[in-house]
Amino acid sequence: EVQLLESGGGLVHPGGSLRLSCAASGFTFSRYAMSWVRQAPGKGLEWVSTISGSGVTPYYADSVKGRFIISRDNSKNTLYVRMSSLKAEDTAVYYCAKSADSGNYFDFDYWGQGTLVTVSS
Amino acid sequence: DIQMTQSPSSLSASVGDRVTITCRASQSIGSSLNWFQQKPGKAPKLLIYGASSLQSGVPSRFSGSGSGTDFTLTISSLQPEDFASYCCQQIYSTPPTFGQGTKVEIK
Repeated sequence: EVQLLESGGGLVHPGGSLRLSCAASGFTFSRYAMSWVRQAPGKGLEWVSTISGSGVTPYYADSVKGRFIISRDNSKNTLYVRMSSLKAEDTAVYYCAKSADSGNYFDFDYWGQGTLVTVSS
Repeated sequence: DIQMTQSPSSLSASVGDRVTITCRASQSIGSSLNWFQQKPGKAPKLLIYGASSLQSGVPSRFSGSGSGTDFTLTISSLQPEDFASYCCQQIYSTPPTFGQGTKVEIK
């Protein structure tokens, strides 16, 4: 059974930093691209970032480019995102998502339950 | 970026009702569309991929149709566990984008 468990959320001041983790199990982690998707309170889902299975190729939404860094440790089956220069508009539930077998990195078939990040003074 | 517009934003329905949710893309996306179900505090769940293919384990009362710019998610007979939010996602081009969601509430 595929399981994705996010952690690391919390309250952070504007301009601060935070690192989220997503522990994966139930599939061969290194074979699949992984992504972060967020949902601000009362809003729709917004794609944040994706990383290839090897970890070589990252992709970022314009809204986080230059501030967020996605990475993965295939030996630990864990996905990360380092978030810096955080803004109030980064407040959201952050989900990690696994890519499907289709080969399209943005085709998500499993999601975690999310971790809440609140950026506030 | 491709904009995805869902309608309605919310609806009230009764158990056993047929429910239809639509999603419109701002440009043609072929069949590169997925539908997800969201419940509060739970992981989003993939229901339909490729506009009309049922994800493994999803009840057959869920179906998807459409191509190009107009898509539909249909629940043939609403069940108590189906009261949730539903959203569409295009995977045709980067960045992938989502509809704003449709909340299905109990009448």
